[in-house]
Amino acid sequence: DIVMTQSPDSLAVTLGERATINCKSSQSVLYGPKNKHSVAWYQQKPGQPPKLLIYWASTRDSGVPDRFSGSGSGTDFTLTISSLQPEDVAVYYCQQYQSSLRTFGQGTKVEIK
Amino acid sequence: QVQLVQSGAEVKKPGASVKVSCKTSGYTFSGYYIFWVRQAPGQGLQWMGWINPNSGDTDYAQNFQGRVTMTRDTVTRTAYMELRGLTSDDTAVYYCARDPTVSTSEGILAYWGQGSLVTVSS
Repeated sequence: DIVMTQSPDSLAVTLGERATINCKSSQSVLYGPKNKHSVAWYQQKPGQPPKLLIYWASTRDSGVPDRFSGSGSGTDFTLTISSLQPEDVAVYYCQQYQSSLRTFGQGTKVEIK
Repeated sequence: QVQLVQSGAEVKKPGASVKVSCKTSGYTFSGYYIFWVRQAPGQGLQWMGWINPNSGDTDYAQNFQGRVTMTRDTVTRTAYMELRGLTSDDTAVYYCARDPTVSTSEGILAYWGQGSLVTVSS
């Protein structure tokens, strides 16, 4: 199984400042035919299903604000919120979809400092 | 618009089975895999598997092999997930989900059902 490990488990950021969440995969998640990494990022607010933010490591889903960006390669990936807004308070998950058993990171809780 | 509407909350006794439905609309049902994910209270997301509505082919996570069955009804455009031999560890919100329009079977979860809470308690 590919293990996805997020860091930190939680972080508190001042409004308007940058938030950075890291995700490390236990093995390569590079999808050869597309030369892209099979990593997605989700945002989940209490009582709601997760919402897709990013896929193929850096492609923003339709309607997602451009303050959200994804980057990374190899086994290290990052979700960045460039200027934290009150509505961004949530838990964020990374996911790999390279292997048959798609797996998620344990989640990172983002709060306002 | 794409919609996935799940069945309501259930309370089951240990050892029982539960069958959760996921009724779809707004797109070609046979064109996109349906994935199932669960989330225990206060915990993270756990992958369960998928069904190809076109062929009926399925793939289950090892943790659920022998206990889960995913099926579909192409007439009603509904996918089902049945879990047997329930224990308190199966208490969770169960979600169905689908890929974005640009893919069909990757497991990129763009569209989600609202979730179905299954509580296992004696």
